[in-house]
Amino acid sequence: KAGVTQTPRYLIKTRGQQVTLSCSPISGHRSVSWYQQTPGQGLQFLFEYFSETQRNKGNFPGRFSGRQFSNSRSEMNVSTLELGDSALYLCASSLTAGGLNTGELFFGEGSRLTVL
Amino acid sequence: LAKTTQPISMDSYEGQEVNITCSHNNIATNDYITWYQQFPSQGPRFIIQGYKTKVTNEVASLFIPADRKSSTLSLPRVSLSDTAVYYCLPLNGSARQLTFGSGTQLTVLP
Repeated sequence: KAGVTQTPRYLIKTRGQQVTLSCSPISGHRSVSWYQQTPGQGLQFLFEYFSETQRNKGNFPGRFSGRQFSNSRSEMNVSTLELGDSALYLCASSLTAGGLNTGELFFGEGSRLTVL
Repeated sequence: LAKTTQPISMDSYEGQEVNITCSHNNIATNDYITWYQQFPSQGPRFIIQGYKTKVTNEVASLFIPADRKSSTLSLPRVSLSDTAVYYCLPLNGSARQLTFGSGTQLTVLP
């Protein structure tokens, strides 16, 4: 069974640009959540999607957005990039039953974003 | 939201047992306690999950006291490859913010 796949693995952007990151969850997993990881702030929750709906959002500015498609694949977008957006962006998927997450989170390898 | 507190770092030697304790004072009744391991530039990997008392799997044990305000991850006979950051994460089934603490950097020395 394939794991969580994130693309691209590495990318470099300049300030003011925008970026789109993609996450393909494990087959059958309908919940996808996104995290930002930086050395100073650790793992911070961005948002969670289930059945194409955002269920929860962390404390990030509106420049950070996401969506989920009918096949559960998810994308996140960061507009007007700032230097501080340089980070490892991780997504995780989990099984659900009746809309409830049933257990462990399965993480992808992450997308390493560098903003110059 | 359940806030967690863990030691920032721990050192151990190969072959020793390591115990990492996490405090989660305001854990919710329906929260399970999960632990994750993370190597540099990789996503966290699930280790173990429990609700109360003791749970054991092939890689670790998890001890949870009756009040559930803390939990202890026990790694038996660690090796150099166990050097990683370990996170505890209270988790429940409902839609919620997932708050990882700062984690514990475990360094295993030869």
